Amino acid sequence: GDSVTQMEGPVTLSEEAFLTINCTYTATGYPSLFWYVQYPGEGLQLLLKATKADDKGSNKGFEATYRKETTSFHLEKGSVQVSDSAVYFCALSSRAQKLVFGQGTRLTINP
Amino acid sequence: SAVISQKPSRDICQRGTSLTIQCQVDSQVTMMFWYRQQPGQSLTLIATANQGSEATYESGFVIDKFPISRPNLTFSTLTVSNMSPEDSSIYLCSVGGVEAKNIQYFGAGTRLSVL
Repeated sequence: GDSVTQMEGPVTLSEEAFLTINCTYTATGYPSLFWYVQYPGEGLQLLLKATKADDKGSNKGFEATYRKETTSFHLEKGSVQVSDSAVYFCALSSRAQKLVFGQGTRLTINP
Repeated sequence: SAVISQKPSRDICQRGTSLTIQCQVDSQVTMMFWYRQQPGQSLTLIATANQGSEATYESGFVIDKFPISRPNLTFSTLTVSNMSPEDSSIYLCSVGGVEAKNIQYFGAGTRLSVL
């Protein structure tokens, strides 16, 4: 069945560092891909999305490109801030619009 | 996007009791879903709440344990029945079909602890 594999965490970086969180997927057909973020004590917020190959999703300085040839959707940010500390989930939307999530990556940014 | 309200935001319950969680959306939506997030884990889909008919449950989840109602296009409830400590989790409601059918928006979740 469909699955998502994320880079294991936790990840700790200094402020202004470059961030990459790896995400690969297995799916039949052509899923849509998403990154969600969960700040401490809150629900999930949609961070960005891509619906077809080579699409680039972007929001709040974060970017991810839908790479069909490598079945990947890596999340990147050029300069992280303390306020980016959260848990990040990669997900795909399969048939029947169900979301399949990766295991999540906890990110901590130190000042 | 949609504004999704979940109640209660958190609760502490005794073993053997049941808790009903409510999910209210500020607009009519075609799809509503319920997820469970166990401590330190990812999200797992419990079921799709279908308006006017029985919910569609994922493997490993049954109606007797997690009965779901969806009386209209803006409201759904999830009941966690005969609770045990293993049911301690965050339960999240999501809605789809607001902007596009494959995008889901989430409520803030209900943090449940079972003693």
